[in-house]
Amino acid sequence: DAGVTQSPTHLIKTRGQQVTLRCSPKSGHDTVSWYQQALGQGPQFIFQYYEEEERQRGNFPDRFSGHQFPNYSSELNVNALLLGDSALYLCASSLAARTRGLAGNYEQYFGPGTRLTVT
Amino acid sequence: GEDVEQSLFLSVREGDSSVINCTYTDSSSTYLYWYKQEPGAGLQLLTYIFSNMDMKQDQRLTVLLNKKDKHLSLRIADTQTGDSAIYFCAEKSGGYQKVTFGTGTKLQVIP
Repeated sequence: DAGVTQSPTHLIKTRGQQVTLRCSPKSGHDTVSWYQQALGQGPQFIFQYYEEEERQRGNFPDRFSGHQFPNYSSELNVNALLLGDSALYLCASSLAARTRGLAGNYEQYFGPGTRLTVT
Repeated sequence: GEDVEQSLFLSVREGDSSVINCTYTDSSSTYLYWYKQEPGAGLQLLTYIFSNMDMKQDQRLTVLLNKKDKHLSLRIADTQTGDSAIYFCAEKSGGYQKVTFGTGTKLQVIP
């Protein structure tokens, strides 16, 4: 059973550029959430996708956008990169409440992350 | 709003028990989680507890929840050097699945 996968593993970009990160959820999961983890900090919620729509968003600017595909995989796009965008970007997958039901599995599984460095 | 706090560092001797503490502010929290992160790696879900439970045990791990004080703890029995990592407390509230994390507790196990 494949877990959550992310690509690429590492990425180096310069200020002002744009970047796209990719995530494939755990088999059977339909919801993808993205988190940013700066060095020495806990992960911060960026947004969540379900049924190809953004369902919830954290405190991140519009430079951060995403997409979910019919196969439940997802992309995170960041435009006009800033030095402060350097971080580990984590993708997490889970089952939506509507899918799992009240007695379902509430676990959220994380991928290994993409390390983004902005110079 | 949601806020989760943890102490930054804990050092224990191999074979002793470790207790990592966490406090949260959101009274509508529904699920509380413990994740483990090793250097350069993603987050590994260790265990979670429903907010209507007081305790959950899973092999060497015991989670205690004091909902009145909004206090969560993770006890690791017979701590091993492989348990050295950063441990994150996290809470989920609301109808969606946004999870709010603490800043993490670095556990150092001394052989």
